[in-house]
Amino acid sequence: NAGVTQTPKFRVLKTGQSMTLLCAQDMNHEYMYWYRQDPGMGLRLIHYSVGEGTTAKGEVPDGYNVSRLKKQNFLLGLESAAPSQTSVYFCASSYVVVGENEQFFGPGTRLTVL
Amino acid sequence: AQSVTQLGSHVSVSEGALVLLRCNYSSSVPPYLFWYVQYPNQGLQLLLKYTSAATLVKGINGFEAEFKKSETSFHLTKPSAHMSDAAEYFCAVSNFGNEKLTFGTGTRLTIIP
Repeated sequence: NAGVTQTPKFRVLKTGQSMTLLCAQDMNHEYMYWYRQDPGMGLRLIHYSVGEGTTAKGEVPDGYNVSRLKKQNFLLGLESAAPSQTSVYFCASSYVVVGENEQFFGPGTRLTVL
Repeated sequence: AQSVTQLGSHVSVSEGALVLLRCNYSSSVPPYLFWYVQYPNQGLQLLLKYTSAATLVKGINGFEAEFKKSETSFHLTKPSAHMSDAAEYFCAVSNFGNEKLTFGTGTRLTIIP
């Protein structure tokens, strides 16, 4: 099993450009998450999904959109990138075990917006 | 609402010395608590978790943590540090009926040879 994979690993954008980050998991997990990691701020939840076709806002959703058309994939979109979105983005997934919620993480995507 | 506080954004210990990373939580209901480790340029991986069974939890790589309700703490310890323990460590909290984790801001552990 590959676990959680993320594409691409690195990306440089110019302000105003758009892009989509892809997350895929092969563990048949129901829940999937997108986080951003910034120095000194830990991980902050952007959006999450509790099942195919569902999405919900997390702590810092502004400037991002998501889609979960297939259970194994969770896409994060930036419609008009801004320098404040320079960050490392992590995808995670978990089983439906209410409360325990052990999450499995991908290797991350390092995004720089110039 | 739930939150975690990790005291000390940077901790340095000598190789072979005790590792102690602090985590205090706030939760209005019984919590589930986690420690994750992040090695350089990698994602997070689970070290250990507390889910209301034994209060002393053993994890991978010789780490353990003790849930202390009276102190609202879940500190991570390892008796003897190894160079390979150098990483960033995150404490996280969840609770029954909550599909989300709330992470602390992390503690970067440096091992001095």
